Amino acid sequence: EAGVTQSPTHLIKTRGQQATLRCSPISGHTSVYWYQQALGLGLQFLLWYDEGEERNRGNFPPRFSGRQFPNYSSELNVNALELEDSALYLCASIFRGYEQYFGPGTRLTVT
Amino acid sequence: QKEVEQDPGPLSVPEGAIVSLNCTYSNSAFQYFMWYRQYSRKGPELLMYTYSSGNKEDGRFTAQVDKSSKYISLFIRDSQPSDSATYLCAMRGGSARQLTFGSGTQLTVLP
Repeated sequence: EAGVTQSPTHLIKTRGQQATLRCSPISGHTSVYWYQQALGLGLQFLLWYDEGEERNRGNFPPRFSGRQFPNYSSELNVNALELEDSALYLCASIFRGYEQYFGPGTRLTVT
Repeated sequence: QKEVEQDPGPLSVPEGAIVSLNCTYSNSAFQYFMWYRQYSRKGPELLMYTYSSGNKEDGRFTAQVDKSSKYISLFIRDSQPSDSATYLCAMRGGSARQLTFGSGTQLTVLP
């Protein structure tokens, strides 16, 4: 069974640009969670999508947004990039249980 | 004060040692407790999952939860150099579906 996949692996953007990150959950998983792992800050919850709807968001500004598609894959968009947005962005998927399974992450570097 | 506190280490032990990793938390609503292992520049890998108080064993790994003390532990027996990684505790409960993570403990097992 394929795990959670994320693309791209690395992304380099300049300040003020927009970044789009993608996630495909484990087959059959309907919920997708996004987390940010910035250096020294640990994993912080960004967004939760379930059945195509945004269910909850963490303490991040509105320029962090996303969506979930009918096939349950998801996209995270970060607008007006700032230097402090440089981080590893992790996607996790879940079915009905409580264990979240993570993808390898997208490393975003903002210069 | 953070909801989940975890000693960041670094922790260095000789091969074959018993390793003890710990987290404390303040939110009494937490009911589901997880331990993840994260190798450098990779996504977190789920190691152990425990519901409420008690112990759970899986091979060389034992997870303990003491809800009365708001304290969870992960023990690694017969540690191996391949266990060298960052270990993250995570938990959730109440109405929140997302995970709240500790900051991670960096472990090095020396051959």
